[in-house]
Amino acid sequence: AQSVTQLDSQVPVFEEAPVELRCNYSSSVSVYLFWYVQYPNQGLQLLLKYLSGSTLVKGINGFEAEFNKSQTSFHLRKPSVHISDTAEYFCAVSLLSSGNTPLVFGKGTRLSVIA
Amino acid sequence: DSGVTQTPKHLITATGQRVTLRCSPRSGDLSVYWYQQSLDQGLQFLIQYYNGEERAKGNILERFSAQQFPDLHSELNLSSLELGDSALYFCASSVSVGETEAFFGQGTRLTVV
Repeated sequence: AQSVTQLDSQVPVFEEAPVELRCNYSSSVSVYLFWYVQYPNQGLQLLLKYLSGSTLVKGINGFEAEFNKSQTSFHLRKPSVHISDTAEYFCAVSLLSSGNTPLVFGKGTRLSVIA
Repeated sequence: DSGVTQTPKHLITATGQRVTLRCSPRSGDLSVYWYQQSLDQGLQFLIQYYNGEERAKGNILERFSAQQFPDLHSELNLSSLELGDSALYFCASSVSVGETEAFFGQGTRLTVV
């Protein structure tokens, strides 16, 4: 079975500083990779996804992530954060197959942007 | 707005009771997923339906059940509720079984007292 580890439960960062949220996954087969964001009292919103092709994926709100197959990682980055980026971020995987592939989520990383 | 609608937004009920959570997927989406979000367990996949049929089961308790109706809306039934069932329950939908992107509702916050 696949699993996702988000290495930091909380990340405080100053406004306009860069940030990296780390995600490692474990799977015996190829996977799709996702980052979702959850703002307070909201549902989850897709930031970006990796299905195939270029390992550098650009998403919404200036975020990007890089798929590293050898390190089984999919870290999320933003060069300059804003106060409005304060939220919970979830890394997720689903199996690369034509069958039933529900998302498996990490525990989440709470990003706090400090003015 | 993701297009996925969940009702009610909040629910407070007593232990031992039964509740029903409702989800309307995005127009055109055939697949519905239910997730439970709690502080200690994080986001746990419960169950998936595709076009009315159960397709995948996750960590769903026997006290919980779900179904997807012909109009594609889904209901999650939680019975014999315990304090530990207090959580945020999310519904998500996607176009096909292969989930390249799932759209989430805003969730139903269940509090069991």
